[in-house]
Amino acid sequence: SSELTQDPAVSVALGQTVRITCQGDSLRSYYASWYQQKPGQAPVLVIYGKNNRPSGIPDRFSGSSSGNTASLTITGAQAEDEADYYCNSRDSSGNLFGGGTKLTVL
Amino acid sequence: EVQLVESGGGLVKPGGSLRLSCAASGFTFSSYSMNWVRQAPGKGLEWVSSISSSSSYIYYADSVKGRFTISRDNAKNSLYLQMNSLRAEDTAVYYCARDFIAGSGSYPFDYWGQGTLVTVSS
Repeated sequence: SSELTQDPAVSVALGQTVRITCQGDSLRSYYASWYQQKPGQAPVLVIYGKNNRPSGIPDRFSGSSSGNTASLTITGAQAEDEADYYCNSRDSSGNLFGGGTKLTVL
Repeated sequence: EVQLVESGGGLVKPGGSLRLSCAASGFTFSSYSMNWVRQAPGKGLEWVSSISSSSSYIYYADSVKGRFTISRDNAKNSLYLQMNSLRAEDTAVYYCARDFIAGSGSYPFDYWGQGTLVTVSS
């Protein structure tokens, strides 16, 4: 069955740029969506489509895609960006989530 | 304001059943596909099931197929998940999430409820 693969953990220095990646065959047909989840809270959509941000999401969050890989980039990471990030896409039989990436802001 | 409020979680014995509900408000519920997504303690998100706006299309993850049934009542602005033959591995927070057709090839879950905890244990 299809799956989406993410690095389990990534760290970034405060104010620097970090890229979180997601790989999977479904990304050749569908765009990835990206969600931020902080402890004890529901996930929040931060990026969808080619590179779209819902209202209220800071413009330091951006997305891109190439082939079977989607990326979430945070330019100028802030302390409040420390969270788990999940990618998601449709596939032929429903939906998929990546395993999540824990982002630590140093 | 879009709101999704889950209810119906609790403690159930292995092999038991539970019915989750998700009450929607602040948008035209009958126009949107809806989803259930779960998260086991300390683990990642797992998509469980989807239902189209008119219930014409229904999908399940392999892990719940044949045991769980998704349904909706557009007149009551409500989404449901009937869970039968529950197993310890079904223990999770269950979220309902709205499906947003953002454009060709893009189907994000744009609003989520706060979740309801289901614990399967003897």
